[in-house]
Amino acid sequence: DAKTTQPTSMDCAEGRAANLPCNHSTISGNEYVYWYRQIHSQGPQYIIHGLKNNETNEMASLIITEDRKSSTLILPHATLRDTAVYYCIVRPNNAGNMLTFGGGTRLMVKP
Amino acid sequence: SAVISQKPSRDICQRGTSLTIQCQVDSQVTMMFWYRQQPGQSLTLIATANQGSEATYESGFVIDKFPISRPNLTFSTLTVSNMSPEDSSIYLCSFTTGAWETQYFGPGTRLLVL
Repeated sequence: DAKTTQPTSMDCAEGRAANLPCNHSTISGNEYVYWYRQIHSQGPQYIIHGLKNNETNEMASLIITEDRKSSTLILPHATLRDTAVYYCIVRPNNAGNMLTFGGGTRLMVKP
Repeated sequence: SAVISQKPSRDICQRGTSLTIQCQVDSQVTMMFWYRQQPGQSLTLIATANQGSEATYESGFVIDKFPISRPNLTFSTLTVSNMSPEDSSIYLCSFTTGAWETQYFGPGTRLLVL
């Protein structure tokens, strides 16, 4: 079973910031939080990951709460091409390297 | 990051037949994985394929139905055997370059079984 909880869907206006929340209240101390997205009919695309510090790259920012029980993925200026299903995943620390996917959040960016 | 490709990209097959999906990475990778994504669903791990050893299957998936090969560090195949319409899915291969490294995915193979 996935260890994360995400809203099923969200809307965002084009050009505005998209803030996608994720709850992972049972996360273990050395488990990372990963974010992927899947644009329709394509393979999942890696976005960003973090352990406890906030992270930023060319795609997004990841804000992890101090207690690590939740995080937020931020797309600073959403475009129509950011419409996708976004998956928040906690990587288990004793089950190899595979990712376990939950239902994700379907983000719809609207003009 | 390495480039990963899958063949075929899509196929329509008759029930009772088998299809072998190929996954090629342009550099040597440590671990390869096969996932299935049924229509409207999230991804489900089928098995982990390591070079030089038997694939490790997740609960609900068996080798007779989904035989996997991993002949070297850049290539793997997944066969969907004796197909039924319930096997209609997207099949995705994935890899990591080492322990705790980021996992990357191929473009997927869209399979429709009639």
